[in-house]
Amino acid sequence: GENVEQHPSTLSVQEGDSAVIKCTYSDSASNYFPWYKQELGKRPQLIIDIRSNVGEKKDQRIAVTLNKTAKHFSLHITETQPEDSAVYFCAASPTGTASKLTFGTGTRLQVTL
Amino acid sequence: DSGVTQTPKHLITATGQRVTLRCSPRSGDLSVYWYQQSLDQGLQFLIQYYNGEERAKGNILERFSAQQFPDLHSELNLSSLELGDSALYFCASSVTRGNTEAFFGQGTRLTVV
Repeated sequence: GENVEQHPSTLSVQEGDSAVIKCTYSDSASNYFPWYKQELGKRPQLIIDIRSNVGEKKDQRIAVTLNKTAKHFSLHITETQPEDSAVYFCAASPTGTASKLTFGTGTRLQVTL
Repeated sequence: DSGVTQTPKHLITATGQRVTLRCSPRSGDLSVYWYQQSLDQGLQFLIQYYNGEERAKGNILERFSAQQFPDLHSELNLSSLELGDSALYFCASSVTRGNTEAFFGQGTRLTVV
């Protein structure tokens, strides 16, 4: 089955700096890659996603890049703010949908003032 | 608020017991997904139902079962509970099988003592 590795497990950045979280996946059939943000004690929320036919996608301060050949994808957050502090999960699915998502182990991002 | 409702929010039970977790999807959503989030295993996909039928299965134990009813709400049944089943159980829903965004409920925190 699919295996998703995520790094780093914790990340501390100063407000205004950029943050990058990286994930690798093992199943070349995976074609849908969402990123979820989970604040303490709350539900995971989708912040951005990308399909395998696209190399990059951007939404305001958040961007995701995908390298199918290397089987890795990354989340980039620019101009970080304290409210960006949360745990971020990458995931991969071979169904092109939210079905059968395999999640990474999460990155705890802390944005300090 | 995602529109996905899970009850109860917290559940404490003894080993060997059986519990039922309930999920009401967003209005109009036909797909329901169940996920388990534990400290050592992270977020794991358990099972998906679409319009009353099982559509995909993940790492769901034989002691666990689920169903989706005609009104589209879903229940996850956990039996012969073990200490290791203590976790946060999330339900998520999406509009159709093809829809990529899954909206998560707030979760049910199960503690087995």
